[in-house]
Amino acid sequence: EVQLVESGGGLVQPGGSLRLSCAPSGFTFSTYWMTWVRQAPGKGLEWVANINQDGSEKYYMDSVKGRFTISRDNAQNSLYLQMSSLRVEDSALYYCARDGVPAAFDSWGQGTLLTVSS
Amino acid sequence: QSALTQPASVSGSPGQSITISCTGTSSDVGGYNYLSWYQQHPGTAPKLLIFEVYNRPSGVSNRFSGSKSGNTASLTISGLQAEDEADYYCFSYRNDTTRVFGGGTKLTVL
Repeated sequence: EVQLVESGGGLVQPGGSLRLSCAPSGFTFSTYWMTWVRQAPGKGLEWVANINQDGSEKYYMDSVKGRFTISRDNAQNSLYLQMSSLRVEDSALYYCARDGVPAAFDSWGQGTLLTVSS
Repeated sequence: QSALTQPASVSGSPGQSITISCTGTSSDVGGYNYLSWYQQHPGTAPKLLIFEVYNRPSGVSNRFSGSKSGNTASLTISGLQAEDEADYYCFSYRNDTTRVFGGGTKLTVL
């Protein structure tokens, strides 16, 4: 069974940093693109970043470029999102998702909550 | 990055059919067949319903169908059931390196 488990969320002050992790299981992680999606409380889904199988291609939404870095460790079976210069508007539930079918997300984690507040 | 345009809400009675639209531009919806739809019940992760405009993953009911015309994609739910009450999101490529969700549509089953 495919599973994605996010961790690392918490309360951070504006301007702070945090790293989110996603632990995949039940599939060959190294063969899939992976994506981070976020959802602010009561709001819609927002695509944040994605990364290809070997980490050589990474793409970001405009508002996080230069502040967030997506990465992966295929040997350790892990996906990461390093976030810095955090803003109140970055507060959200962050999901990791597998790009399991062409250009779509067939598996999602349950999310990890980031709250940016002073 | 602006979201794709979806109606904020739609409603229908059990047994009826409803359609949710997703409007973009030639740079996203109209330019790619990489259009997918997701269902999200409160407090749960999204679930993939449709990918590549009209393809259903294994296990998704054939009551859900997708289509596209120009810059607008559509999700149709036929034989509406109480369990279909949820939020629905479209998703598309935008240029070769960016992706974008729709703003979401809340479906109410009357």
